[in-house]
Amino acid sequence: QVQLQESGPRLVKPSETLSLTCTVSGGSISSYYWSWIRQPPGKGLEYIGSIYSSGSTNYNPSLKSRVSISIDMSKNQFSLKLTSLTAADTAMYYCARQRWEYSNSGSAYYFDYWGQGILVTVSS
Amino acid sequence: SSELTQDPAVSVALGQTFRITCQGDSLRSYYASWYQQKPGQAPVLVIYGKNNRPSGIPDRFSGSSSGNTASLTISGAQAEDEADYYCSSRDSSDNHDVFGTGTKVTVL
Repeated sequence: QVQLQESGPRLVKPSETLSLTCTVSGGSISSYYWSWIRQPPGKGLEYIGSIYSSGSTNYNPSLKSRVSISIDMSKNQFSLKLTSLTAADTAMYYCARQRWEYSNSGSAYYFDYWGQGILVTVSS
Repeated sequence: SSELTQDPAVSVALGQTFRITCQGDSLRSYYASWYQQKPGQAPVLVIYGKNNRPSGIPDRFSGSSSGNTASLTISGAQAEDEADYYCSSRDSSDNHDVFGTGTKVTVL
């Protein structure tokens, strides 16, 4: 059973950079997409970005200028960096495994395993 | 970039069959996936692809799609189905994913 666990600071100051790590256990990090998703308190889910095991990345256009996702195959980990933080970045941050499938009838991308989430507060 | 629109809330009677919809242009190109989120918990995948359920998801959950609309149907609502539900798909114009606005389901 694949398990994901987020780690990092829970309180960060405005204008600083957030660094989070997701550790994957119970399976290899190879040949999958690995994603970050966040959820401000009382609000909906927001896709942040994904990285493939090869290192190629996709980012939410609204966050692209501030986001960087990297992967460390040797540690079975992937990481998120989000710069120039404001109070609007206060949220539960989830890491997740993303899969895709193609068929004659269409294509699908989906997040099949999620971490429990880490609540990050941006405040001075 | 695409948006996925869901009804904010729906109330259903115990045992009732109901449907949640998700609308967006990207759904013409990609299937939606559906997630159930209970308070204080991480989202859980309930439907993906044309109509696939991960292991452990009850068969009362089903999915369908037509044009720019995806639907999640729950056949015979149970008290434990009370939760927020989100759809998601790949954006059709850019290589990123998008989530729907979410639907809060209350089982009466």
